Amino acid sequence: AQRVTQPEKLLSVFKGAPVELKCNYSYSGSPELFWYVQYSRQRLQLLLRHISRESIKGFTADLNKGETSFHLKKPFAQEEDSAMYYCALRGNYGQNFVFGPGTRLSVLP
Amino acid sequence: KAGVTQTPRYLIKTRGQQVTLSCSPISGHRSVSWYQQTPGQGLQFLFEYFSETQRNKGNFPGRFSGRQFSNSRSEMNVSTLELGDSALYLCASSLHRQGISNTGELFFGEGSRLTVL
Repeated sequence: AQRVTQPEKLLSVFKGAPVELKCNYSYSGSPELFWYVQYSRQRLQLLLRHISRESIKGFTADLNKGETSFHLKKPFAQEEDSAMYYCALRGNYGQNFVFGPGTRLSVLP
Repeated sequence: KAGVTQTPRYLIKTRGQQVTLSCSPISGHRSVSWYQQTPGQGLQFLFEYFSETQRNKGNFPGRFSGRQFSNSRSEMNVSTLELGDSALYLCASSLHRQGISNTGELFFGEGSRLTVL
């Protein structure tokens, strides 16, 4: 069964500090992994996907198939990064998305 | 381009009643998915509709149902409401089916917040 876990419900860091939001998954095949973000009073939106290997707003995420992880990282957190972050998995063969429970990131001044 | 529109935004019902929520996808998008969002469970997949057909269904009881019209607008219905159905119901649209979309990007609405008393 597909499953996504995000061990931290809340993560607080100071501005300028590095941040890492953890995501682990279970899936028997080769999934696609995504990070979605929801800023205050905004809609849930795509932040990045592992397949494009891009950096968005300074965030990167590397898919580690050995550890079945897709952690989201940023070297220097900004206050505007405060938001709810969801890790999501999409399996093969036309399967739907499975979202993790989310981590609320709070960047303190 | 207008975003995904969900109506109503807020509603209060009592146990045993039924509710219908509406979602208008982005113009041209043919896939509409529904999710239930609660503080404890996060986003739980309800179902996906594409070309007026239900393509995938999550692990929810039969009280939860939906449909899609020829203009891609979708409705979901919850019958015999229970207290545990209180949640934010999110609709997401995409050009292609979730599972085959090249970008994998879902466009979400603002949600319909249902409170069951």
